[in-house]
Amino acid sequence: AQKITQTQPGMFVQEKEAVTLDCTYDTSDPSYGLFWYKQPSSGEMIFLIYQGSYDQQNATEGRYSLNFQKARKSANLVISASQLGDSAMYFCAMRGISKLTFGKGITLSVRP
Amino acid sequence: DTAVSQTPKYLVTQMGNDKSIKCEQNLGHDTMYWYKQDSKKFLKIMFSYNNKELIINETVPNRFSPKSPDKAHLNLHINSLELGDSAVYFCASSQGLGTVAEQFFGPGTRLTVL
Repeated sequence: AQKITQTQPGMFVQEKEAVTLDCTYDTSDPSYGLFWYKQPSSGEMIFLIYQGSYDQQNATEGRYSLNFQKARKSANLVISASQLGDSAMYFCAMRGISKLTFGKGITLSVRP
Repeated sequence: DTAVSQTPKYLVTQMGNDKSIKCEQNLGHDTMYWYKQDSKKFLKIMFSYNNKELIINETVPNRFSPKSPDKAHLNLHINSLELGDSAVYFCASSQGLGTVAEQFFGPGTRLTVL
């Protein structure tokens, strides 16, 4: 069975600073993918970044990077230079064979 | 061009009614999904179809019946609606079932059962 754990309470960050959103996972699948999605207050789900379990390097997409530590089973999202528009709910998800399992999400608020 | 579209965006109905939500994707993907997001924002998969075949059915009450007339469409029909069915329902699609298959989500349908 797959499990994604996001336990941080609501997070706050000052505009222009970096923030790390934590995610740990558990799976018995030998191969899997890790995803982060953003859900702003408008409700849509926006894909941010992907990390494959066999990827040697941590994924980066613009201001987003994924700190992947396979031995610790963690896939933390780092947002650099936070912007007001980053205020949203963030979901970590894992894809094994055919199924995407989501964590409970973390609310991020960016302060001006 | 909208990649994954859902209609309606909002649906308010009485308990006991039957309703449908439609989903269409124009990405040429072969796999489509339905997710339910509850009031605590928890997202859970309900169904998945690959090339019109049901491949995931996650212990969803049989009042929920998905229908995939073709690879580009996956509709969700709900019979005898209950208060607990109130949620946001997301449709999504991906190319293939592999671990790299990024899922593209529709805008969601907010269902309110009174």
